[in-house]
Amino acid sequence: EAQVTQNPRYLITVTGKKLTVTCSQNMNHEYMSWYRQDPGLGLRQIYYSMNVEVTDKGDVPEGYKVSRKEKRNFPLILESPSPNQTSLYFCASRTGGNYGYTFGSGTRLTVV
Amino acid sequence: AQSVTQLGSHVSVSEGALVLLRCNYSSSVPPYLFWYVQYPNQGLQLLLKYTSAATLVKGINGFEAEFKKSETSFHLTKPSAHMSDAAEYFCAVSGSGDIPTFGRGTSLIVHP
Repeated sequence: EAQVTQNPRYLITVTGKKLTVTCSQNMNHEYMSWYRQDPGLGLRQIYYSMNVEVTDKGDVPEGYKVSRKEKRNFPLILESPSPNQTSLYFCASRTGGNYGYTFGSGTRLTVV
Repeated sequence: AQSVTQLGSHVSVSEGALVLLRCNYSSSVPPYLFWYVQYPNQGLQLLLKYTSAATLVKGINGFEAEFKKSETSFHLTKPSAHMSDAAEYFCAVSGSGDIPTFGRGTSLIVHP
C-alpha cells in the first residue's frame, strides 16, 4: 500500500531533550515536507526537500533540523525542544509533478 | 507570492443540505489548487485538484469545485451533506513547482 509512515504517533517529552520524528514513504516521491498544525493557524511548513541532499526552510524552521540522506526517509529533529513546539506534526510527500501531497497520519508532540 | 483565504472557520449544515466551503486565493503565477479533508485523528487526504485543465473539478465522496479566475476563487461544493462529511477541510494553492500554501481550514459540522 502506498503510504507515508510517521513514528511515533504520540510523544510526550521534557524541555531540552533531543528527539527525532521519523518519516518514510514507499512511493519513490521526490518531494517531502514537514508541517505543523496548530488550532486556528492551519498548516505551516517547517522544512521541505526536493530530492536527496536538497533541503530548504519553510515558514517556521526555527528550532528544527532535517536531513535527506535517502529518498524514502525525511526525519525531523528537535535538538532542544521547547513548550512552544507542542503541536501536531505531519510529514507529506509528492512526485515532481504537482498532483497533491500524500500525508502521514501525524505525530502529536507535547513538550513539558 | 501566494496566499489562501478560507471564509468561515466553521460551517454548519443539516444532513441532506447543500455544502459550500469558500476558498479565495492569490498567486503571481497560474495556480494549482487543492482541497484536502482531515477526519478526526487522521492525516490530510486529497479531495480534488485543479491543474489548469477543466475548470470544474470532481473529487472523491461527491465533492466538486469550480475554478473561477475572474473571482480568484475555488469553492468546494456537495449537493447533499452526509453525517460522514463532518471533518476539517483545507484549501491550498501553489505554482507548478512550488510548495503549497494552506488555508487555515474550515470545520464542517453536519446536523441530523
